[in-house]
Amino acid sequence: DTGVSQDPRHKITKRGQNVTFRCDPISEHNRLYWYRQTLGQGPEFLTYFQNEAQLEKSRLLSDRFSAERPKGSFSTLEIQRTEQGDSAMYLCASSHRTGVTEAFFGQGTRLTVV
Amino acid sequence: QKEVEQNSGPLSVPEGAIASLNCTYSDRGSQSFFWYRQYSGKSPELIMSIYSNGDKEDGRFTAQLNKASQYVSLLIRDSQPSDSATYLCAVNRGSGGGADGLTFGKGTHLIIQP
Repeated sequence: DTGVSQDPRHKITKRGQNVTFRCDPISEHNRLYWYRQTLGQGPEFLTYFQNEAQLEKSRLLSDRFSAERPKGSFSTLEIQRTEQGDSAMYLCASSHRTGVTEAFFGQGTRLTVV
Repeated sequence: QKEVEQNSGPLSVPEGAIASLNCTYSDRGSQSFFWYRQYSGKSPELIMSIYSNGDKEDGRFTAQLNKASQYVSLLIRDSQPSDSATYLCAVNRGSGGGADGLTFGKGTHLIIQP
């Protein structure tokens, strides 16, 4: 049983560039979540999917952020025209839809915008 | 918007003692409660989940829930230096019991002194 996998683990990008992160959830999990965490804060919800459907996106999330889960398996999170304020750890988690709703996190992608 | 409050610490506890971590939440309708452990630079790791009033024990960990007081706690018995980490309290975001994501507190930094 492999856990949630995220790629890359670290990303340094220049301001204004686009970046894309990938998340592979636990295979039998049909719910997938993206969170963002900055230093000294808890993870902040960004968006989530059930299978391929994006069910909710945080109102605080800029239009520069977009996420997809095209076949209900892996997901990508893209940030366009990155800003220094986007520097954070981006966390992906997955869970079952029904029954146990415990969510398990991947290793995270640490983004640094310079 | 649900809120989850934790004392940021640091909370310093001697090795072998009981560490007590506390969390309050704003929404009386919250249904699912989780404790995650996060080592510096790593992603959150699920430790405990609790859904009903009372105590739930798992090894050295005990989660306690009091819905009337909107209070959840985590006790760590026989604290070890490896327990030194930030402990995040989380509650379900919406009415889906956690299936629609979690709201996290800022975490309590726990230090176990050898």
